[in-house]
Amino acid sequence: NAGVTQTPKFQVLKTGQSMTLQCAQDMNHEYMSWYRQDPGMGLRLIHYSVGAGITDQGEVPNGYNVSRSTTEDFPLRLLSAAPSQTSVYFCASSQFTGSPLHFGNGTRLTVT
Amino acid sequence: AQTVTQSQPEMSVQEAETVTLSCTYDTSESDYYLFWYKQPPSRQMILVIRQEAYKQQNATENRFSVNFQKAAKSFSLKISDSQLGDAAMYFCAYRSNSAGDKIIFGKGTRLHILP
Repeated sequence: NAGVTQTPKFQVLKTGQSMTLQCAQDMNHEYMSWYRQDPGMGLRLIHYSVGAGITDQGEVPNGYNVSRSTTEDFPLRLLSAAPSQTSVYFCASSQFTGSPLHFGNGTRLTVT
Repeated sequence: AQTVTQSQPEMSVQEAETVTLSCTYDTSESDYYLFWYKQPPSRQMILVIRQEAYKQQNATENRFSVNFQKAAKSFSLKISDSQLGDAAMYFCAYRSNSAGDKIIFGKGTRLHILP
């Protein structure tokens, strides 16, 4: 049972490049979400989804896009990377309301 | 909008002693869930404890327990008999029970264990 799988683990981008952070879970969880973690800022919610075809914005959605075409996958797209998007990104999922989040191992992204 | 506040950016405790991490939150809802997560240097996020707001009894998991004060909107974590492996960032999190719920985290408290 793999749980929540994030790829890649590390990524370096140049300003203006685009990329997609992949997230997949094999627990049939309806709820999935993306957070970024910055020093002194905790985890801030970027986007989340309560089921296939449904997404919504979190606290810091600007510069990021998401889609949820299947229950298993919830990719995060950076359309035009900026140095301010240098961060550690976590994908997380949960079974139903009230359940704890299961986290991936994170992606460290550096934008130069 | 809900907010979660952890007022102690860093704390230190002597090994084998007890330490309490503070968390307060703001919400107008009556039905919700609260969590404490631990993040060791490995960066992995680990669930420590979960509390349901409609349950008055404080949750306990081995050496970890909470003091849940619903009226005061306070959710502190007590770690008893602190061990070196408890050194980590600790995050408090709030989850609404409504449809389309978000899960909001505090900024975290870094806990140091002194040998």
